[in-house]
Amino acid sequence: EAQVTQNPRYLITVTGKKLTVTCSQNMNHEYMSWYRQDPGLGLRQIYYSMNVEVTDKGDVPEGYKVSRKEKRNFPLILESPSPNQTSLYFCASRLLAGGYNEQFFGPGTRLTVL
Amino acid sequence: EDKVVQSPLSLVVHEGDTVTLNCSYEVTNFRSLLWYKQEKKAPTFLFMLTSSGIEKKSGRLSSILDKKELFSILNITATQTGDSAVYLCAVEAGLYGNKLVFGAGTILRVKS
Repeated sequence: EAQVTQNPRYLITVTGKKLTVTCSQNMNHEYMSWYRQDPGLGLRQIYYSMNVEVTDKGDVPEGYKVSRKEKRNFPLILESPSPNQTSLYFCASRLLAGGYNEQFFGPGTRLTVL
Repeated sequence: EDKVVQSPLSLVVHEGDTVTLNCSYEVTNFRSLLWYKQEKKAPTFLFMLTSSGIEKKSGRLSSILDKKELFSILNITATQTGDSAVYLCAVEAGLYGNKLVFGAGTILRVKS
């Protein structure tokens, strides 16, 4: 089944404790992206990647890192999480070729930083 | 700064009513406008619009884009309780379509 998976789905952590949220897709998509969703703000793009080893900042990259060593994986790293990073996080992927292609979203990761 | 503004922020209607959701945008290098439905989980794709004046339809939902006035509307006719959701408007922008800028969403609640 074609899908985007994220782990963990729920995470409660404490300020300063490094964490990684994994994202994996099995559709051979070039493009992958991370978003955070906060009440009243919609989804905001954190980082995106156009292909392996090609990443760039979105609108809210501060406090986050990403890497794209393999096409299927795009982990989101919080080196020193803070309470203002408490949010719902979505990973998404899509094909780049042939104009716009539907973006597939993962199920979301609800992160709480105490 | 790229921005997408949706209105109203929330809406409560009765089953059978028709609703119109609005989305205005201001972005660099517009490529397309997209509508998503979100029901307590990941957004699901509804429509993509790239050309002005061409209506897209899917059942009771339809949408149209005005690239001159920089807005789009999403219409839902004969609403049902299953239409209750957050409706998100997003604009694909940037030189390579690499950016997806979302509005804050419209919360629609359909009462039976």
